[in-house]
Amino acid sequence: EIVLTQSPGTLSLSPGERVTLSCRASQSVNSRYLSWYQQKPGQAPRLLILGASTRATGIPDRFSGSGSGTDFTLTISRLEPEDFAVYYCQQFGNSPYTFGQGTNLEI
Amino acid sequence: QVQLVESGGGVVQPGRSLRLSCAASGFALSGSDYGMHWVRQAPGKGLEWLAVISYDGLTQYYADSVKGRFAISRDTSKNTLYLQMNSLRAEDTAVYYCARYVAAVGLDNWGQGMMVTVSS
Repeated sequence: EIVLTQSPGTLSLSPGERVTLSCRASQSVNSRYLSWYQQKPGQAPRLLILGASTRATGIPDRFSGSGSGTDFTLTISRLEPEDFAVYYCQQFGNSPYTFGQGTNLEI
Repeated sequence: QVQLVESGGGVVQPGRSLRLSCAASGFALSGSDYGMHWVRQAPGKGLEWLAVISYDGLTQYYADSVKGRFAISRDTSKNTLYLQMNSLRAEDTAVYYCARYVAAVGLDNWGQGMMVTVSS
């Protein structure tokens, strides 16, 4: 099983700041099969980034993803109030298709 | 547009069974581009991937936590995905989501979630 470790667990930031979230895999993941999701309280997750670096349809360009192998990052260039949420990475390279434990972005 | 609507949740006693349904619209479950997944989220916890069924229905994979107890299936005539949950435990208490998978994209559409509570 591929374990995805996200860091940090919680980040307290302010609107306008830049943030980088980390997702580290216990073994190499094909970047085609690494996705990022955003989840707000009481809502289903929403796909943000596919293939490690491609924004999903409708996702603002302040969101960007990068990485390969075992190290992946999600960057939000300038935080908007609506960006405060929990972010998860997920791999589809090998079953079970595990999620990271999440990073909580709070104001 | 694509829509996924779950049903079948509720309160169930430990050891009993429950079947969740996920009615899909706006696309065909049998489409060659799509797999279907179940994901759950225990109260206050993160996302846990549970199961997947391939576009042709021939392949299923499960998380170790539910293997042998849960079964994913679909009825293409009803365009509906199912999760049969047997031998339920308190730790299965969670919101259950169905989600559509597109190859090399990810889970691009999710249901609204369905609460399952396992309690005596």
